[in-house]
Amino acid sequence: KAGVTQTPRYLIKTRGQQVTLSCSPISGHRSVSWYQQTPGQGLQFLFEYFSETQRNKGNFPGRFSGRQFSNSRSEMNVSTLELGDSALYLCASSLGLADPGSQYFGPGTRLLVL
Amino acid sequence: GNSVTQMEGPVTLSEEAFLTINCTYTATGYPSLFWYVQYPGEGLQLLLKATKADDKGSNKGFEATYRKETTSFHLEKGSVQVSDSAVYFCALSDQQGAQKLVFGQGTRLTINP
Repeated sequence: KAGVTQTPRYLIKTRGQQVTLSCSPISGHRSVSWYQQTPGQGLQFLFEYFSETQRNKGNFPGRFSGRQFSNSRSEMNVSTLELGDSALYLCASSLGLADPGSQYFGPGTRLLVL
Repeated sequence: GNSVTQMEGPVTLSEEAFLTINCTYTATGYPSLFWYVQYPGEGLQLLLKATKADDKGSNKGFEATYRKETTSFHLEKGSVQVSDSAVYFCALSDQQGAQKLVFGQGTRLTINP
């Protein structure tokens, strides 16, 4: 079974631009979560989608948004990029309540904001 | 809110040494507890988990026991290998929140041959 895939793997943007990251979950997984990983703040939860509905949201500004499609693929969007948004963005998929908390992570998208 | 505290790294050991990485948590209710591992250049992988008090999770020679009385979930391995070099993250999930994981800061482990 193919793992979680994320595209693109690397991205360079400038301040003020917006960016869209994509995540394809493991086949059969309906829950997709997003995390931001930085050296200073560590791993922080952004949001979770299940069956196209946002089910949980972390403590991030409204510039961070996401969505999930009917095939469970998910996208994350960051508008008006700031230097502090430079990070590794990880997507994780899971079976949801059938196995709560057990998540399968993709390799991440490394975003650099200049 | 919920939080996880791990022992500060980095940790450097010789091959075949005994490993302990301490993890304590603060949570309301009865969270599930996890250890995730991040090998160099790779994404996070679930290493083991425990969903209720006194449960022991185990995988690849690693073990951790859910201790509710001490709010701890320490990771142990009897004999480490060079291939165990990685960053280890302790995490919890609020069962009501299901998929929202709260992570510790991570502990970098280096095993020397």
